[in-house]
Amino acid sequence: AQSVTQLDSHVSVSEGTPVLLRCNYSSSYSPSLFWYVQHPNKGLQLLLKYTSAATLVKGINGFEAEFKKSETSFHLTKPSAHMSDAAEYFCVVSDPGGGADGLTFGKGTHLIIQP
Amino acid sequence: NAGVTQTPKFQVLKTGQSMTLQCAQDMNHNSMYWYRQDPGMGLRLIYYSASEGTTDKGEVPNGYNVSRLNKREFSLRLESAAPSQTSVYFCASTPGREVGYGYTFGSGTRLTVV
Repeated sequence: AQSVTQLDSHVSVSEGTPVLLRCNYSSSYSPSLFWYVQHPNKGLQLLLKYTSAATLVKGINGFEAEFKKSETSFHLTKPSAHMSDAAEYFCVVSDPGGGADGLTFGKGTHLIIQP
Repeated sequence: NAGVTQTPKFQVLKTGQSMTLQCAQDMNHNSMYWYRQDPGMGLRLIYYSASEGTTDKGEVPNGYNVSRLNKREFSLRLESAAPSQTSVYFCASTPGREVGYGYTFGSGTRLTVV
């Protein structure tokens, strides 16, 4: 069985400061991992994905995430927050032994950007 | 624009009414999905269609039915709406069910059942 834990339900940072959104996972297999972003009243947009290639993954809008197998973590970072980054972020794990669709979603982290 | 299109964007139903949520994708994807999103719950899978002609239950199928009309379209039907079905519904598609594909999501349908 697989699971995803997003360690913070809300994160607040000032514009121009670094962003860290934490995600831990458990999986019986070699999983694929994703981060999605959801802006208010919008659908989910893929930020980046890890699929067993390079452990440091770069995504859109300056975000990146590092897969650390020993820590079972896939934290999302950005060096400098922008007001447009304010949104809900979901960490997702995918492996063959997962649910019906192979996906398990975290409960989300709401990112607030202070001016 | 290529992607997943959902209609309607908003809907208010009375308890007991029925309705169908429509979803269409133009990316030639094989697999399509319906999720519901509730506060603090993430996304939960209602039904999915691995390929044209097949449908299967997900985590929370009760009270819903689906139809994979063709490769492009995957509809979700509520036969007798209940307040517990108030939610935001997302349709998604992916090239196949192999691990590692990213999912493309529609912009959602906000449904309120009163």
